[in-house]
Amino acid sequence: EIVLTQSPATLSLSPGERATLSCRASQSVSSYLAWYQQKPGQAPRLLIYDASNRATGIPARFSGSGSGTDFTLTISSLEPEDFAVYYCQQRSNWPPRFTFGPGTKVDIK
Amino acid sequence: EVQLVESGGGLVQPGRSLRLSCTASGFTFGDYAMSWVRQAPGKGLEWVGFIRSKAYGGTTEYAASVKGRFTISRDDSKSIAYLQMNSLKTEDTAVYYCTRGWYFDLWGRGTLVTVSS
Repeated sequence: EIVLTQSPATLSLSPGERATLSCRASQSVSSYLAWYQQKPGQAPRLLIYDASNRATGIPARFSGSGSGTDFTLTISSLEPEDFAVYYCQQRSNWPPRFTFGPGTKVDIK
Repeated sequence: EVQLVESGGGLVQPGRSLRLSCTASGFTFGDYAMSWVRQAPGKGLEWVGFIRSKAYGGTTEYAASVKGRFTISRDDSKSIAYLQMNSLKTEDTAVYYCTRGWYFDLWGRGTLVTVSS
């Protein structure tokens, strides 16, 4: 089973600052990695799929990179609505399984 | 409007059963695989299982934690996906979300399942 590790657990930043979130897989997931944003009391929202593709309607300040075992979600300039928890997720092809990382909370400094 | 709406959650005793529904609207439900994801109170996200579209056999896959107890099915004529949960345990307490496709690009608001005596 592939295990995802996210760092840091909490990131304290101010609006306008750059956020860099890391996700590491215990073995290669190729580019089958997605990022989700979740705000309190809400369902998660897809931000990035296949490591670097922005989902429909996602602002350009969100970008994803990486392949294999190391991935990064970057928020170029934090807006007030970006303070939330971010999860990475991998998809393995056979057997088909989906695994989420434990999450990174981005809070206001 | 494109949306998913879960229903059927509630309080249930350990060992009992519950069936959740996920009603889709605004898109061609039958074209998509559908997944269930859960989130225990204050915890992270856990994939529960999915069902392929009929074009890909309509077969299912499950997480090890629920395999043999949970069953996912679908009724494309009604645009509904189901999650049948049997032999429920206290650790199954969570908000259950349904999601669309391989990329989980659409989520419902979730339904809370509480397993407690």
